[in-house]
Amino acid sequence: DTGVSQNPRHKITKRGQNVTFRCDPISEHNRLYWYRQTLGQGPEFLTYFQNEAQLEKSRLLSDRFSAERPKGSFSTLEIQRTEQGDSAMYLCASSSLTEGARETQYFGPGTRLLVL
Amino acid sequence: AQKITQTQPGMFVQEKEAVTLDCTYDTSDQSYGLFWYKQPSSGEMIFLIYQGSYDEQNATEGRYSLNFQKARKSANLVISASQLGDSAMYFCAMREGRYSSASKIIFGSGTRLSIRP
Repeated sequence: DTGVSQNPRHKITKRGQNVTFRCDPISEHNRLYWYRQTLGQGPEFLTYFQNEAQLEKSRLLSDRFSAERPKGSFSTLEIQRTEQGDSAMYLCASSSLTEGARETQYFGPGTRLLVL
Repeated sequence: AQKITQTQPGMFVQEKEAVTLDCTYDTSDQSYGLFWYKQPSSGEMIFLIYQGSYDEQNATEGRYSLNFQKARKSANLVISASQLGDSAMYFCAMREGRYSSASKIIFGSGTRLSIRP
């Protein structure tokens, strides 16, 4: 399977704990994105990387959130001191600049987080 | 201001009928891209179709076509000959600006499509 993969698929944690999610993009895709989706809503942009550089962060990305893409391949999203409001689906997507104007983001299956 | 508007929270359609899902958008950019994604209950966002703002013809991908009316800022998705497997949430989305400098996608609130056998 050469699509975007995310691990874990589900995570249940207690309030105050730290969690880390991993995203493996489509091979050779140089752009990687994180989105958050709450129930009944469309995904909301969190941040994106071009290669290893984090180029944009949303206001939604509080200081408890940090994302990395150290070698320009996989990425991790860490949430520190989780709160119940962090419960959501976290989606990762990747794309390639070589597609030019038709650049399309391809999404992974998501990580569903539940904070108790 | 809301950028993507999907006015149909839910729709029911008989199998084999065609269905149109509405989407209007708001942007002051001349260059932008419009997307439709399908999200089944499993949660994965599946890319369906893309329309560029400068594309002169409406995009088509198999049973999916995009009715692009630039002056009205609408980008409706048409699914022909609906199938039971089409039951899912459908999201309209937009990327503003040139692809090289602005890549985040803004999503609408979605339309839940249910196909009746």
